[in-house]
Parts: sequence; C-alpha cells; structure tokens
Amino acid sequence: KAGVTQTPRYLIKTRGQQVTLSCSPISGHRSVSWYQQTPGQGLQFLFEYFSETQRNKGNFPGRFSGRQFSNSRSEMNVSTLELGDSALYLCASSPGQGAFSGELFFGEGSRLTVL
Amino acid sequence: AQSVTQPDIHITVSEGASLELRCNYSYGATPYLFWYVQSPGQGLQLLLKYFSGDTLVQGIKGFEAEFKRSQSSFNLRKPSVHWSDAAEYFCAVGAQAAGNKLTFGGGTRVLVKP
Repeated sequence: KAGVTQTPRYLIKTRGQQVTLSCSPISGHRSVSWYQQTPGQGLQFLFEYFSETQRNKGNFPGRFSGRQFSNSRSEMNVSTLELGDSALYLCASSPGQGAFSGELFFGEGSRLTVL
Repeated sequence: AQSVTQPDIHITVSEGASLELRCNYSYGATPYLFWYVQSPGQGLQLLLKYFSGDTLVQGIKGFEAEFKRSQSSFNLRKPSVHWSDAAEYFCAVGAQAAGNKLTFGGGTRVLVKP
C-alpha cells in the first residue's frame, strides 16, 4: 500500500504570495490532518478533514485554509505569506470510520521557505 | 486544555545502553497517549499508543512505554539502543472528542554514540 504522498516536497515563495500544498492519503483513509512543524513552535495542529468536512481546526489565522475532495485527497492553502510561515507542513491520514483513531500516518512533508 | 512536556531536549546514549525518554501530560480526563519518532528528513512514525487497559504497552522497534496516572507520565524505554534509533521522539496526547487532533510535546532528540 502506498504511503501518504505530499507535493511539492520543497518550495520557495516570497512574502505576500500564496501557496497550495497537496496531500494524497493512504488508500481507504478518510481522515486527513495537517500539522505545521517549526523549530520554535514545534508541531502544531492546523486542521482535520473527514469525508470532505472540516472536523477540527487549530489556532491559526484565516490565511490558512484547506479542503478535502471526494477521493479524500486534501489541499491546504496559505495566502499572503509571511516570513513566519516558513515551516515543514506535514499531512497525516488516519484509518477507521469513527471520530477518533489517533493513529496518524504521516507523509514526508512539504518544506516551505518564505523569503 | 491538553499539554505535553518533554523535559529533555537532547539525550546522548551509547549504543547498547538503555534509553528512557520522559513525557508528562496535562489533561482532565483519561488521555490517549502516543509516541512518534521522526528520522531526519522524514515524517513521523507511530511507535506505540495507549488508550486503556494494561499500563505497560509494547511498540515497534523494541520500544515500550508505561502509563502512570498518578504521575501524569508516559515514559518511553528501550533496553538496548541501536545506532538506527538516533532520531527525534515526540510524545503526544489526544482525546476522543477532539477527532484526530493531537497535541505534541516539544520532542527529544536522541544521539547514539558508537
């Protein structure tokens, strides 16, 4: 079974631009979560989607948004990029039909650098 | 609100020696607890999880963890470390009502000396 695939793996943007990151979950997984990882703040939860609905949201500004498609693939978008948005963005999918599994399967991440 | 503290930022251990990583959590109800490992340039991989039952849980790669409610701790242990165990380890807490939202600790970076 293929793992969680994130694209692109690396990207460089300038302040004020926007970026879209993509995540393909493990086949059959309907939950997709996004996390931001930075040296200063560590791993922080952005949001979770389950069956195309946002089920949970972290404490990030509205510039951070996401969506999930009917095939469970997910995208997240960051608009009006700031220097502080430089981070590793990790996508994780989760099996199970219920509200909670806790077992997250992570992709290798998309490393965003904002100049 | 949930929180997780990993008191040790870095730990250096000799190959073949034992390893213990500390994790303390704060959560009002019975927590769901996890340990994940991240190798350089990689995503995170689940080592083990605790939901209920036996407080000593076994995971992959020879790791185990013990849940101690009285100490609000969930420490990770390995009897004999291999060079490939050099990585960053994250403790996390979740709750059934929170979906798959996990709160992670700051991580402990493990260096293995030959």
